[in-house]
Amino acid sequence: QKEVEQDPGPLSVPEGAIVSLNCTYSNSAFQYFMWYRQYSRKGPELLMYTYSSGNKEDGRFTAQVDKSSKYISLFIRDSQPSDSATYLCAMKVGGGSNYKLTFGKGTLLTVNP
Amino acid sequence: NAGVTQTPKFQVLKTGQSMTLQCAQDMNHNSMYWYRQDPGMGLRLIYYSASEGTTDKGEVPNGYNVSRLNKREFSLRLESAAPSQTSVYFCASSLTGGTTDTQYFGPGTRLTVL
Repeated sequence: QKEVEQDPGPLSVPEGAIVSLNCTYSNSAFQYFMWYRQYSRKGPELLMYTYSSGNKEDGRFTAQVDKSSKYISLFIRDSQPSDSATYLCAMKVGGGSNYKLTFGKGTLLTVNP
Repeated sequence: NAGVTQTPKFQVLKTGQSMTLQCAQDMNHNSMYWYRQDPGMGLRLIYYSASEGTTDKGEVPNGYNVSRLNKREFSLRLESAAPSQTSVYFCASSLTGGTTDTQYFGPGTRLTVL
């Protein structure tokens, strides 16, 4: 079983829809959870960062972590065509100055006008 | 402030040729990383450098070497390129490499090995 599982999609939604993106993980040592957004032919950029169970909101984006179920989600409200990108979840184990960031494979999202 | 820059943007090699991918950051970050991204495989860490003068292997180091030239620059070398090394290569940097640290990525180098 891979440490991080993410449905690659593709996911296609109409403009204004609520989008739900998900990852599951198997390593209970993961403590820090991130969502990166990657536009076509660009490098990933950090979108959301959380280290505890519960919700974290930033504008139209909400990151949710359920450590008991080893499940994280990213919700996008009022989705826009500019949200069309690949979304990568990433996780890391806490502690120390060197760490390993483990990525999901990414979900390709298209928001249609 | 350019962030993380990578050169070249594109490269085509023949099997057995060598090349060096260059990466530089202007954010005064201590830690730097090299990843490869392949369809269906996601991002995988090749090597990282926690600080100037140190390098460590990541998940897929075979066939690669790295040099942390100074605090700003971290290069990735393919000594004898193979078709399996066809990929998109990303360099990233972070301030400390600590638990709450954020990695910033460059735009990538698209490498094809024939």
